[in-house]
Amino acid sequence: DQQVKQNSPSLSVQEGRISILNCDYTNSMFDYFLWYKKYPAEGPTFLISISSIKDKNEDGRFTVFLNKSAKHLSLHIVPSQPGDSAVYFCAASTTSGTYKYIFGTGTRLKVLA
Amino acid sequence: GAVVSQHPSWVICKSGTSVKIECRSLDFQATTMFWYRQFPKQSLMLMATSNEGSKATYEQGVEKDKFLINHASLTLSTLTVTSAHPEDSSFYICSADPRASGRASYNEQFFGPGTRLTVL
Repeated sequence: DQQVKQNSPSLSVQEGRISILNCDYTNSMFDYFLWYKKYPAEGPTFLISISSIKDKNEDGRFTVFLNKSAKHLSLHIVPSQPGDSAVYFCAASTTSGTYKYIFGTGTRLKVLA
Repeated sequence: GAVVSQHPSWVICKSGTSVKIECRSLDFQATTMFWYRQFPKQSLMLMATSNEGSKATYEQGVEKDKFLINHASLTLSTLTVTSAHPEDSSFYICSADPRASGRASYNEQFFGPGTRLTVL
């Protein structure tokens, strides 16, 4: 049972345009969400997070939107740069208890120069 | 950000041998660390939560006698893959959560660089 899903395994975007990565979850107990970026044979690096008390969080070129009623979040990258090419994972957790994350299946983003 | 290291970065071993992977938090104390594994082109699957001074908590389907976890200090957790077989070949990643140690300035886990295990 995949509690966190990223339905697009891959995405190609032209440099300078917007990249939109989507993530859906099923467990309504999740109240904290994160996006990580990962290169092959490396550990994930943190990008941005959002608490369930918000519906938007912005950090530079990265914005995360949360729609609790739809159990959906998205990551917007604008403008996209070739260096953004990587695999992006969303993760969900609860702020009480064990702090453990449940990761989505990942989306491979390719930004074309 | 906080730094987490893993050692070794890659290891090749013969079937039936045991392999130990170390995860260290370099600039903070971590009472809680996590171990994940990732198969090619798949997600990071949480294997277990490593708790300093107590037994690890394993996720459903993970054999605790196969994957031994020891968290003997506030900066070190080890994962030992016992009697490794080719199907254990994978990319193993650890993470540490500064919040669990009261370091509230961060709200996210920090990940190590991973260990590539290949069992022949």
